Amino acid sequence: GQNIDQPTEMTATEGAIVQINCTYQTSGFNGLFWYQQHAGEAPTFLSYNVLDGLEEKGRFSSFLSRSKGYSYLLLKELQMKDSASYLCAVRDGDYKLSFGAGTTVTVRA
Amino acid sequence: NAGVTQTPKFRILKIGQSMTLQCTQDMNHNYMYWYRQDPGMGLKLIYYSVGAGITDKGEVPNGYNVSRSTTEDFPLRLELAAPSQTSVYFCASSKKQESQPQHFGDGTRLSIL
Repeated sequence: GQNIDQPTEMTATEGAIVQINCTYQTSGFNGLFWYQQHAGEAPTFLSYNVLDGLEEKGRFSSFLSRSKGYSYLLLKELQMKDSASYLCAVRDGDYKLSFGAGTTVTVRA
Repeated sequence: NAGVTQTPKFRILKIGQSMTLQCTQDMNHNYMYWYRQDPGMGLKLIYYSVGAGITDKGEVPNGYNVSRSTTEDFPLRLELAAPSQTSVYFCASSKKQESQPQHFGDGTRLSIL
């Protein structure tokens, strides 16, 4: 089976940095995705990592360590609109994704 | 550019009724997926398809059926609705390449009473 763990909730202040960790134990590994999901809306793609290291996209960065089964999503210069759920998903070797339960980030003024 | 379109957006069913959730995509994606999302839980894969005429079970297929007669459409059928099927249902599609993300529809919020 697949086991993907991420914290349930995080709170941070506008302008600050938040790091959302994701650990996984899967039968295979063929890439890790991060999605953002605002309340009542569909998930939208943020980032993809398949090799070890850091991928940067503007205010968002994602890191992967395959040997440790670990990834994080870094959100910098937090804005109120970043309040959302962030989903970690692992592709375990074929076309399917296994999702974590999601981390709800609340940004306070 | 419509992307992935799901209908209806909301529905209330009585126990034992049946219905079809519609999903269509205009991106010419080979792969399509149906998920359900319950509060505090991750997205769970119900069924998926890698092309027209090909479907396969995901993690939670019981109580559901699918078909894929065209590249564009991937309907999900509930035959005998049960309260445990109350959930938000998302359809998604993706290109064949492994690095390509899945694109999601806006979801169908289904209540079984």
